[in-house]
Amino acid sequence: NAGVTQTPKFRVLKTGQSMTLLCAQDMNHEYMYWYRQDPGMGLRLIHYSVGEGTTAKGEVPDGYNVSRLKKQNFLLGLESAAPSQTSVYFCASTDWREGTGELFFGEGSRLTVL
Amino acid sequence: GDSVTQMEGPVTLSEEAFLTINCTYTATGYPSLFWYVQYPGEGLQLLLKATKADDKGSNKGFEATYRKETTSFHLEKGSVQVSDSAVYFCALSDNNNNDMRFGAGTRLTVKP
Repeated sequence: NAGVTQTPKFRVLKTGQSMTLLCAQDMNHEYMYWYRQDPGMGLRLIHYSVGEGTTAKGEVPDGYNVSRLKKQNFLLGLESAAPSQTSVYFCASTDWREGTGELFFGEGSRLTVL
Repeated sequence: GDSVTQMEGPVTLSEEAFLTINCTYTATGYPSLFWYVQYPGEGLQLLLKATKADDKGSNKGFEATYRKETTSFHLEKGSVQVSDSAVYFCALSDNNNNDMRFGAGTRLTVKP
């Protein structure tokens, strides 16, 4: 069972470069999320999607864009990377219709911006 | 808005010691409560959950009881093992907003 898969797992960027993180889930979940994890701050929600073709801002959306063109994929883009975006990024998915909305997480993508 | 506050770490225990990690929440509605665990190099995974007041979630020897009167969901285990070393996150879900809020995480290290 693949579950939630994130690519790439590691990436080093220079300030100003752009990149896209891909999240893919095979559980037919409607809801998908992008979080960032920083020491001492837990997980903070960047953007989320409640279904194909929809996106919404979370707690810390600035500097990021997202797209959900297909139900199974949720892309997180950095147009002009900054050192403050050095973090570990986690994608998660769920289906709130099934109950309380347990989140299923990918293994994370570690991004370093120099 | 809804929020979760959990005990700051790190926590270091000897094997077979008793574990408590405190978690309190603030919510306007009736959230579901969760504990997630993150092992080194991995994503978060659900450890246990409780969906209404007085429910007790349990898994792998861990327990937590949903206490509405004290707005708490403390994690406990009677005898920890080295393999329990991980970061533990308390979280709540607001079913009205389809949103999940996480605490800052507590790093547990268990020494043999």
